[in-house]
Amino acid sequence: DQQVKQNSPSLSVQEGRISILNCDYTNSMFDYFLWYKKYPAEGPTFLISISSIKDKNEDGRFTVFLNKSAKHLSLHIVPSQPGDSAVYFCAASDSNTGKLIFGQGTTLQVKP
Amino acid sequence: EPEVTQTPSHQVTQMGQEVILRCVPISNHLYFYWYRQILGQKVEFLVSFYNNEISEKSEIFDDQFSVERPDGSNFTLKIRSTKLEDSAMYFCASTIQGRGETQYFGPGTRLLVL
Repeated sequence: DQQVKQNSPSLSVQEGRISILNCDYTNSMFDYFLWYKKYPAEGPTFLISISSIKDKNEDGRFTVFLNKSAKHLSLHIVPSQPGDSAVYFCAASDSNTGKLIFGQGTTLQVKP
Repeated sequence: EPEVTQTPSHQVTQMGQEVILRCVPISNHLYFYWYRQILGQKVEFLVSFYNNEISEKSEIFDDQFSVERPDGSNFTLKIRSTKLEDSAMYFCASTIQGRGETQYFGPGTRLLVL
C-alpha cells in the first residue's frame, strides 16, 4: 500500500537554514493531511495539519503547503534548529474513514 | 496538557502467549485507534473504535487481535496467541470527533515476541 510516499529517506540541513520535507499521495479522496515528528522509541508527536480546502497552513517555524492538483504536500521548517533532528512522517486520511495512512518517514538531521 | 498514556512501555513474551496492551486516551476523546510499527517500516493502522464498537479494521487485525474499553478510561489491545512477526511498537491514538481531526498518539509499547 503506497498511497502516501516520502521519497527522501533522509535530509541533512545546516542550522538556521530551511528544511523542506516532501510527501506525495495517490488517493484523491484524502482530504486531511498531517505531519508528525518522531524520536526513536517514542510515539509520533503532532506538528501541523492541513485540510484539503486550504493550500497553506502556518504555525511558527512550521509551514505546510498542499498542492492538490499534483497530490503533493511539503513541510517547511525555517529556521531549522538542531532540536528539529528527528524522523518526520506525513499522514493522510479521507472523509470516509478516520484511519491515517502514513508515509515511510524522512530522517532530518540539522547540523549546528 | 492532556496526553495519551500507554502501559507497559516494554513487553517481552514467548510465542503463543497472550498479551494485553493498555492505553488511557485523552479524557474527552471519543475515537480510539491502535497502530503498529515494525522496526524499519511504516506506521500501520490496525483498528479504530468508537461507541464500544470497532468502526474499522485492517487486514492485519485478524482473529488473534481484539480491542476493548473495559471501563471509562482504559482502551486495550489483546493479542491472543502471539507470533514472532507481532514484534513491533504498538501505538494508541485518540481524537475527539474522528474523521478529519488530529490524532494524538501515546508513547507506544515495544512488544518483543521470542
